[in-house]
Amino acid sequence: AQKVTQAQTEISVVEKEDVTLDCVYETRDTTYYLFWYKQPPSGELVFLIRRNSFDEQNEISGRYSWNFQKSTSSFNFTITASQVVDSAVYFCALSGEYNFNKFYFGSGTKLNVKP
Amino acid sequence: EAQVTQNPRYLITVTGKKLTVTCSQNMNHEYMSWYRQDPGLGLRQIYYSMNVEVTDKGDVPEGYKVSRKEKRNFPLILESPSPNQTSLYFCASRPPGPNTEAFFGQGTRLTVV
Repeated sequence: AQKVTQAQTEISVVEKEDVTLDCVYETRDTTYYLFWYKQPPSGELVFLIRRNSFDEQNEISGRYSWNFQKSTSSFNFTITASQVVDSAVYFCALSGEYNFNKFYFGSGTKLNVKP
Repeated sequence: EAQVTQNPRYLITVTGKKLTVTCSQNMNHEYMSWYRQDPGLGLRQIYYSMNVEVTDKGDVPEGYKVSRKEKRNFPLILESPSPNQTSLYFCASRPPGPNTEAFFGQGTRLTVV
């Protein structure tokens, strides 16, 4: 079974704080793909990153970084020096090797960044 | 500009009145899907299509229909909407292969009263 768990329903931070959004996944596939999407208050879904299961290198893009650990089945997302514009709902998603037409989404983490 | 376009963006309707939400993509993607987003549940797949005339059920297909007569279009049909179908709906398209991201439409907020 494929499953994505985002245990943090809502997080509030003050601007310039660092924040980590957790994502834990379950899959029986040997090869799989993990994604993060951002949903700002306007409602659209914005793609942030894709990671293959065979590539455990962490990635940094500006203030964003992602920590992929197969040993703990986690794909956590850190925002450094958060800004008000980072306020959004963030979704982690999983796509399997065989049934790759489908994304399995977590329930999302709402991030509130206060000035 | 590469995009997925859904219409309408907002819709309020009454129980039992048939409606269609349109979805069109200009990226020549084979794969298209419909998802619904509900609080605390994330996005759940309703139907998907791997190409023209090829469609299949996702996790929550009850009460919905789809068709894929052209590659670019993937309408979602609610034959007899009910209040439990009040939700935020997203259409997505994706190139073939697992190592690709999905492109999502702007969403359609549907209220059934």
